[in-house]
Amino acid sequence: DGGITQSPKYLFRKEGQNVTLSCEQNLNHDAMYWYRQDPGQGLRLIYYSQIVNDFQKGDIAEGYSVSREKKESFPLTVTSAQKNPTAFYLCASSASSGRATGELFFGEGSRLTVL
Amino acid sequence: GQSLEQPSEVTAVEGAIVQINCTYQTSGFYGLSWYQQHDGGAPTFLSYNALDGLEETGRFSSFLSRSDSYGYLLLQELQMKDSASYFCAVRDHDKDSNYQLIWGAGTKLIIKP
Repeated sequence: DGGITQSPKYLFRKEGQNVTLSCEQNLNHDAMYWYRQDPGQGLRLIYYSQIVNDFQKGDIAEGYSVSREKKESFPLTVTSAQKNPTAFYLCASSASSGRATGELFFGEGSRLTVL
Repeated sequence: GQSLEQPSEVTAVEGAIVQINCTYQTSGFYGLSWYQQHDGGAPTFLSYNALDGLEETGRFSSFLSRSDSYGYLLLQELQMKDSASYFCAVRDHDKDSNYQLIWGAGTKLIIKP
């Protein structure tokens, strides 16, 4: 079955540590996205990539980094520079046509807690 | 600034009909999407309206009025499994002319037996 796989589902981090969240898709989608979701709020865009080896900052990129070395993979690193990293992180992808319709496919999310 | 407004919470009875409204104020507009998200889960795409009018998909319908910057999601024959948060999102362009989605804060739908 095609889809998006995020790991780990739950992650605990000590302050000052970097952590990397994995996102893999087998939908053959060109575009991939990382969102952050805080309780009672909508989704905020961290980074997105429309093609391999290229990515752009979203609205809240500070303290985060990404790479897009393969079409299938778009890992997100939450660095120690991110002051309030505790949140639910969602990875998504879209086909070319999906970009015109607003249809994103999401992974199950990674919940990061800073201790 | 860009913003989408939707009620934070709506309560309805099983079997009834409920409407979730969304008003938007954005610099550009290409369409309005709706997503459903169960607690702790991933958002799933429900519908998209680029033109004025009503789009129906089974028990769910979505409406758009571009002149009023307004849309709504209509859920009929409510079932307990419809208890979830519903998000509206506007399709716009960012400063680099890339498509972007601007999200509302979500409406929590509570369904009572």
